[in-house]
Amino acid sequence: GEDVEQSLFLSVREGDSSVINCTYTDSSSTYLYWYKQEPGAGLQLLTYIFSNMDMKQDQRLTVLLNKKDKHLSLRIADTQTGDSAIYFCAETLLSTDKLIFGTGTRLQVFP
Amino acid sequence: DVKVTQSSRYLVKRTGEKVFLECVQDMDHENMFWYRQDPGLGLRLIYFSYDVKMKEKGDIPEGYSVSREKKERFSLILESASTNQTSMYLCASSRGAGNQPQHFGDGTRLSIL
Repeated sequence: GEDVEQSLFLSVREGDSSVINCTYTDSSSTYLYWYKQEPGAGLQLLTYIFSNMDMKQDQRLTVLLNKKDKHLSLRIADTQTGDSAIYFCAETLLSTDKLIFGTGTRLQVFP
Repeated sequence: DVKVTQSSRYLVKRTGEKVFLECVQDMDHENMFWYRQDPGLGLRLIYFSYDVKMKEKGDIPEGYSVSREKKERFSLILESASTNQTSMYLCASSRGAGNQPQHFGDGTRLSIL
């Protein structure tokens, strides 16, 4: 079945780059998403990439997709304390509107 | 900007009560979803709807029902609340054009005593 995996924690120093990784199992993925959840809040859509793309950049965010290895990453440049949150990777499969979520990576940014 | 509004941020109810969680979206989206989020388990899909009066079971529908009488509103119903339904509940909506991103509300933290 479908499965999306992420590491649970990442800790980085303010100003450094953060890289959050995600692996997925289903090769029929069409879109892959990154969501951010701040404490006590809902999920905020950060960015997404279509499966025929390798990279997408949006200001401080860079998404890399290695379709062969089924690996997705989110790089945050110049990480700030306001970036501290849980980051979820998610995929949609062909012909479905449902999202399959990873368990989330908690990013902690320290001064 | 898409706005998905959940009626309550925090809710406390008693075991056995019938509980209604309301969600409204303002972007004329066809699809609406209800998830629950629990530590260590991530987000799990309870029910979803592709159109008015349509509903589909998600991964964990037991103990829940839903209602979609109007396109903009999707209600989650706990018929007889139990303590294991204490959780964070998240509503989302998306366009019905296929593989569209879902937009989430702020969540309702529900405690069943």
